[in-house]
Amino acid sequence: AQSVTQLDSQVPVFEEAPVELRCNYSSSVSVYLFWYVQYPNQGLQLLLKYLSGSTLVKGINGFEAEFNKSQTSFHLRKPSVHISDTAEYFCAVSEQSSGKLIFGQGTELSVKP
Amino acid sequence: DTGVSQDPRHKITKRGQNVTFRCDPISEHNRLYWYRQTLGQGPEFLTYFQNEAQLEKSRLLSDRFSAERPKGSFSTLEIQRTEQGDSAMYLCASSPMAGADGYTFGSGTRLTVV
Repeated sequence: AQSVTQLDSQVPVFEEAPVELRCNYSSSVSVYLFWYVQYPNQGLQLLLKYLSGSTLVKGINGFEAEFNKSQTSFHLRKPSVHISDTAEYFCAVSEQSSGKLIFGQGTELSVKP
Repeated sequence: DTGVSQDPRHKITKRGQNVTFRCDPISEHNRLYWYRQTLGQGPEFLTYFQNEAQLEKSRLLSDRFSAERPKGSFSTLEIQRTEQGDSAMYLCASSPMAGADGYTFGSGTRLTVV
């Protein structure tokens, strides 16, 4: 069975600083990897995904993530954050056969001026 | 196409009542998924359909929960005899047969059981 661990429940950071949100996963089969963002009282918006190919994936809003198979990690990074990046971020893996997503517990990113 | 639609957006019900939620997926998507998200947690998988067939149900889906997708179009999720522990955001998502690409979530239905 797959599982996802987001190593930080809360990440406070100042505006224009870099940020890294950490995600580790476990799976005995090949998976796809995702990062989603959720603003208050809204649904999930896809930031980026890794399906295959290049291990460095670029997404929307200046975010990127790197797939590391040996460390089973998929950390999310942004070189300079904005106040508007304040939100909950979820890492997820999906089974390639069923497509169902297994989510981590989430990381609350709080960007302060 | 306007994406995945869920109705209602909010539902307040008394404990013991039955509730039903609706999800309209993107029209060409064969797969439809239901998730539940409680406060401060990540979404948890409940069940999924491929066309009209329900292919998998999570152990989270007790006997009080039932989901349908007649004719492989919209889907309904019914909760019978609601309990306070059922209070959560119920999210629907749809995707093409390939699964990984084009996965789209709706805005969710927030259920409060009082």
